[in-house]
Amino acid sequence: NAGVTQTPKFRVLKTGQSMTLLCAQDMNHEYMYWYRQDPGMGLRLIHYSVGEGTTAKGEVPDGYNVSRLKKQNFLLGLESAAPSQTSVYFCASSSPRSSTDTQYFGPGTRLTVL
Amino acid sequence: DQQVKQNSPSLSVQEGRISILNCDYTNSMFDYFLWYKKYPAEGPTFLISISSIKDKNEDGRFTVFLNKSAKHLSLHIVPSQPGDSAVYFCAAGRDTGKLIFGQGTTLQVKP
Repeated sequence: NAGVTQTPKFRVLKTGQSMTLLCAQDMNHEYMYWYRQDPGMGLRLIHYSVGEGTTAKGEVPDGYNVSRLKKQNFLLGLESAAPSQTSVYFCASSSPRSSTDTQYFGPGTRLTVL
Repeated sequence: DQQVKQNSPSLSVQEGRISILNCDYTNSMFDYFLWYKKYPAEGPTFLISISSIKDKNEDGRFTVFLNKSAKHLSLHIVPSQPGDSAVYFCAAGRDTGKLIFGQGTTLQVKP
């Protein structure tokens, strides 16, 4: 099992460009999440999904959109990138059947917006 | 409003000694708490968790203590090893499935 994978690993964008980050999991998890990690701020939830076809806003959703067309995939889109979106992005997945919400994380995507 | 706080950005301990990482929270409605460990250029990995109905959970060298009256939890690593050097995040959750993370504490274990 690959667990949670993310593509790409690195990306440099110019202000105003768009891009999509792909997250895939092979653990048959119902829940998937997108976080961003910035220095001194821990991980902050951008959007999440509790099942195929459903998405919801997290703590810092502005400037991002998501889609969950297939259970195993969760896409994060930036329609018009801004320098404030320079960050490391992590995807995670979990199962609601676990007694504690143990989330499994991907390796991250480092995004720089110039 | 930071609901989960790790007030120590860094901690340095000697190999073989105890490492104690602390975490405070403000929301008494959290149902469970977790600790994650993160190495550079990797995603966080789950370390240990505790339900709000318990006050201690142990897994090998790692023990998490929960003090609900003080809204405080701590992670003890005994004995500390150089491979434990990483960033440690505490996180808190409710039945919604969403986690709130602290800012992280960088642990350095010196040989």
